[in-house]
Amino acid sequence: TQLLEQSPQFLSIQEGENLTVYCNSSSVFSSLQWYRQEPGEGPVLLVTVVTGGEVKKLKRLTFQFGDARKDSSLHITAAQPGDTGLYLCAGVDSNYQLIWGAGTKLIIKP
Amino acid sequence: DVKVTQSSRYLVKRTGEKVFLECVQDMDHENMFWYRQDPGLGLRLIYFSYDVKMKEKGDIPEGYSVSREKKERFSLILESASTNQTSMYLCASSLGGRTEAFFGQGTRLTVV
Repeated sequence: TQLLEQSPQFLSIQEGENLTVYCNSSSVFSSLQWYRQEPGEGPVLLVTVVTGGEVKKLKRLTFQFGDARKDSSLHITAAQPGDTGLYLCAGVDSNYQLIWGAGTKLIIKP
Repeated sequence: DVKVTQSSRYLVKRTGEKVFLECVQDMDHENMFWYRQDPGLGLRLIYFSYDVKMKEKGDIPEGYSVSREKKERFSLILESASTNQTSMYLCASSLGGRTEAFFGQGTRLTVV
């Protein structure tokens, strides 16, 4: 069974701080997706990383795919209250199935 | 924009009732999925479908069945609801295996 471990499970920080969320596996993925979910809504795709070592930036969010395509990280610079939400990673395996992490619940306090 | 619509945001059902959760997508996607989401457990796949009238079991199919009679509609059925099926249910669709999954707003089901 493939597993995708996300850490930390929960993070509460002050506005303006930086943070990193990790997504790790012993399995290789063809690509990895990051989603953000707000309370009472479904997850929404933020980014897909495909190439080992790839780095993508969305404003203050930086996503990195590990060289071996087994892990990924999401770094947020100068977090804002609007960044609050549940962040989910999902790896695409060799059967084109999405393997989901358990999520990181992020709270940014004003 | 792709839209995935789930029939109810909130449902309260009694133990033993048959429950239908409906999901409709408007982008002609081949793939449709039903997940349940519980705190700390992430998204767990119940069933998925790659085509009309086709269904595949996911990781936790016990106690559930599905129906896909039309491409745009994927229904989840709880044959006899139990309290351990109280959860958030999310429907999703995608164009292909590696592409983005589009989710509905979720149905929060409470079985009493």
